[in-house]
Amino acid sequence: QKEVEQDPGPLSVPEGAIVSLNCTYSNSAFQYFMWYRQYSRKGPELLMYTYSSGNKEDGRFTAQVDKSSKYISLFIRDSQPSDSATYLCAMFPNAGKSTFGDGTTLTVKP
Amino acid sequence: NAGVTQTPKFRILKIGQSMTLQCTQDMNHNYMYWYRQDPGMGLKLIYYSVGAGITDKGEVPNGYNVSRSTTEDFPLRLELAAPSQTSVYFCASSYSLAGETQYFGPGTRLLVL
Repeated sequence: QKEVEQDPGPLSVPEGAIVSLNCTYSNSAFQYFMWYRQYSRKGPELLMYTYSSGNKEDGRFTAQVDKSSKYISLFIRDSQPSDSATYLCAMFPNAGKSTFGDGTTLTVKP
Repeated sequence: NAGVTQTPKFRILKIGQSMTLQCTQDMNHNYMYWYRQDPGMGLKLIYYSVGAGITDKGEVPNGYNVSRSTTEDFPLRLELAAPSQTSVYFCASSYSLAGETQYFGPGTRLLVL
């Protein structure tokens, strides 16, 4: 069983929709939780970064971490065609190496 | 700042050939990483380095070697290329290992035939 499981997708939504992207994990040592966005044929770029449990908001993006359920989410409000990309969750323990989910490909249709 | 740069962008290798993937960062980061990404999959860590002269294995190190003689450069060597090494390779760097933001390069697409 993988340490990090990500909803496989692909996901297709109309412009303006609210998008929910999710990952579950099994390693309780994970403390840092990231969401990366990866456009086609590009390297991943950091979108959101959260330490431990809680919510973090940045513009149209909200990251949620529920350590008790070992579940993280990324919400995108008022989705735009420019949000079309693959979204990767990633997790770190303290002073440890990262583990990535397999990614969810999102398409936002105009 | 150029960030993380990788060369080449694309390469075709024949089975059994060798090559070096180059990675350079200009952010003075101590930590550097090599990942591979197979189609529809996430990133798997091949090797990482915590500073010049210090490297360690990641999740999938077999068939690869690395060296870190300077802070800036972290080349990845493929010996005796195999079709299973067909992938996209990403180099990344970060200030520390403890969950800090990793900055990724644009990737090298490798096809082994």
